[in-house]
Amino acid sequence: DAGVTQSPTHLIKTRGQQVTLRCSPKSGHDTVSWYQQALGQGPQFIFQYYEEEERQRGNFPDRFSGHQFPNYSSELNVNALLLGDSALYLCASSFKKNYGYTFGSGTRLTVV
Amino acid sequence: QQPVQSPQAVILREGEDAVINCSSSKALYSVHWYRQKHGEAPVFLMILLKGGEQKGHDKISASFNEKKQQSSLYLTASQLSYSGTYFCGTENSGSNYQLIWGAGTKLIIKP
Repeated sequence: DAGVTQSPTHLIKTRGQQVTLRCSPKSGHDTVSWYQQALGQGPQFIFQYYEEEERQRGNFPDRFSGHQFPNYSSELNVNALLLGDSALYLCASSFKKNYGYTFGSGTRLTVV
Repeated sequence: QQPVQSPQAVILREGEDAVINCSSSKALYSVHWYRQKHGEAPVFLMILLKGGEQKGHDKISASFNEKKQQSSLYLTASQLSYSGTYFCGTENSGSNYQLIWGAGTKLIIKP
């Protein structure tokens, strides 16, 4: 049973560029959440998608946007990249509330 | 709003016990616990819900004091595989899907 799959695993972008990260949830899960994790810190909630809509959003600027497809997979888009966007981006999927989240291994984004 | 975890780090010998605490300034609906090893994804350990019972499996258990807005994770007879950073994540209400994470507690187990 495949868990959460994220691609790519590593990415280097130049300041000002745009990036798209992809996530396939665990089989049977219909909800996808995205997190940003800086080195040595806990993850920060970006947003959660359910039924192809953004259900809740954390304290991130509009440069961060997302999408969920009918097969429950999801994309995270970041425009006008800043050096401070360099981080590990984690995708987590879940089925129902109160059952915990399954995380992918993340995409390491470096902005130069 | 970020929950406060303590201690920040702990070093144990294999077989010793550990307690990791998570404290919030806000009323809590649930507390999640995850373990993350270096370079890997966080792994779900357990969730404690408001009004629920103390959870546990194997030698890892947790408690949730709703009145004090605190949770504790108990690691008994620690094994080398328990090494990693432990995070608590909190939700403030049943209609809130945002998990707010603590800064983590680094646990090192030595043989």
